[in-house]
Amino acid sequence: NAGVMQNPRHLVRRRGQEARLRCSPMKGHSHVYWYRQLPEEGLKFMVYLQKENIIDESGMPKERFSAEFPKEGPSILRIQQVVRGDSAAYFCASSPGAEQYFGPGTRLTVT
Amino acid sequence: GIQVEQSPPDLILQEGANSTLRCNFSDSVNNLQWFHQNPWGQLINLFYIPSGTKQNGRLSATTVATERYSLLYISSSQTTDSGVYFCAVEQYGQNFVFGPGTRLSVLP
Repeated sequence: NAGVMQNPRHLVRRRGQEARLRCSPMKGHSHVYWYRQLPEEGLKFMVYLQKENIIDESGMPKERFSAEFPKEGPSILRIQQVVRGDSAAYFCASSPGAEQYFGPGTRLTVT
Repeated sequence: GIQVEQSPPDLILQEGANSTLRCNFSDSVNNLQWFHQNPWGQLINLFYIPSGTKQNGRLSATTVATERYSLLYISSSQTTDSGVYFCAVEQYGQNFVFGPGTRLSVLP
């Protein structure tokens, strides 16, 4: 059973561009979570999704950030018009219901 | 919201030493996990332990839910144990909250 997959692993964007981060959950997992980790800090919850539904987006910035988990395909975290402060590691986790399993993360650098 | 504290914030050990890492939380939880973030940034699941005691090789963990703390024991530490150890807790219907982590350095 493959683990949680994220791509790309590293992403460089110029200010103002869009960033798209993908997450494929473990087989059989219907819950997907996105977290952000700033340098030298812990992980902060952003959004919790189930197939075709956003369950909780209380940790997501109100502007420029959006997330989806379509019926088919990976979950996508989208950041529009990126700024330098968006530079961070973005982790996705999936869960069958309780225990969460994390992907390797996407390191976004905004230049 | 729930507060999560971890101690010590930093720990330096000689290879072969034992250590205990602590996680305190401010309210009752229905989920607690320990993770190791290695120097390459990957998060590795160590334990899912909302209560009780579990062991996996040189690592073991105990959560005393009624007293709102969890302990992670590392015995006979190795240089590959270096990294940051996070505990994360979840209350029913709420989101996972991570502690600030304990940064462990194991010296050869």
